[in-house]
Amino acid sequence: EPEVTQTPSHQVTQMGQEVILRCVPISNHLYFYWYRQILGQKVEFLVSFYNNEISEKSEIFDDQFSVERPDGSNFTLKIRSTKLEDSAMYFCASSRGRGPENEQYFGPGTRLTVT
Amino acid sequence: AQSVAQPEDQVNVAEGNPLTVKCTYSVSGNPYLFWYVQYPNRGLQFLLKYITGDNLVKGSYGFEAEFNKSQTSFHLKKPSALVSDSALYFCAVRDSNAGNMLTFGGGTRLMVKP
Repeated sequence: EPEVTQTPSHQVTQMGQEVILRCVPISNHLYFYWYRQILGQKVEFLVSFYNNEISEKSEIFDDQFSVERPDGSNFTLKIRSTKLEDSAMYFCASSRGRGPENEQYFGPGTRLTVT
Repeated sequence: AQSVAQPEDQVNVAEGNPLTVKCTYSVSGNPYLFWYVQYPNRGLQFLLKYITGDNLVKGSYGFEAEFNKSQTSFHLKKPSALVSDSALYFCAVRDSNAGNMLTFGGGTRLMVKP
């Protein structure tokens, strides 16, 4: 069964550094998402991406964040200058289409630790 | 704004007994409701969804959920729990008046004891 994959599984970085989190969505899916979960808190939506454009973003997704689909398979989340409060588990997801009948499939997550 | 509440941080049940994990929601439009399960070191795994139609929806691994519009609830159920069902369960909602973002509840840890 196809799966969303994410690399790395754990990333440790120093405050102020740039990080890129990588995801490979399911191959025939067209919509891509990033969510995050700060330890002990709810899973929160960050951004959705379709047709090489951001289609929605939350208030969390400020100018420090960017997303890109650099090639036909990868989907990346970049944090330009990490802060301590960016420490969280970051989940990538993908769906075949936009309608609610298209459930989102999640990857295993990347744990980002900012020191 | 859409929101989801899972009132129980943990649910304990004996193997073979029925289980219920509670979820209530709030949306401005029509709700699209989902349950996901998370096992240790794994991603969120889709279990089932309610979009429209029958209020009782069946999903993977024998789980089902009942949509109750008047109570704005979408409780997850299983007639007979297995030890292997022990995991973290998340309820999520998507509002028909909003985009395709999911709003999650805080999660409920299900512990099934032999």
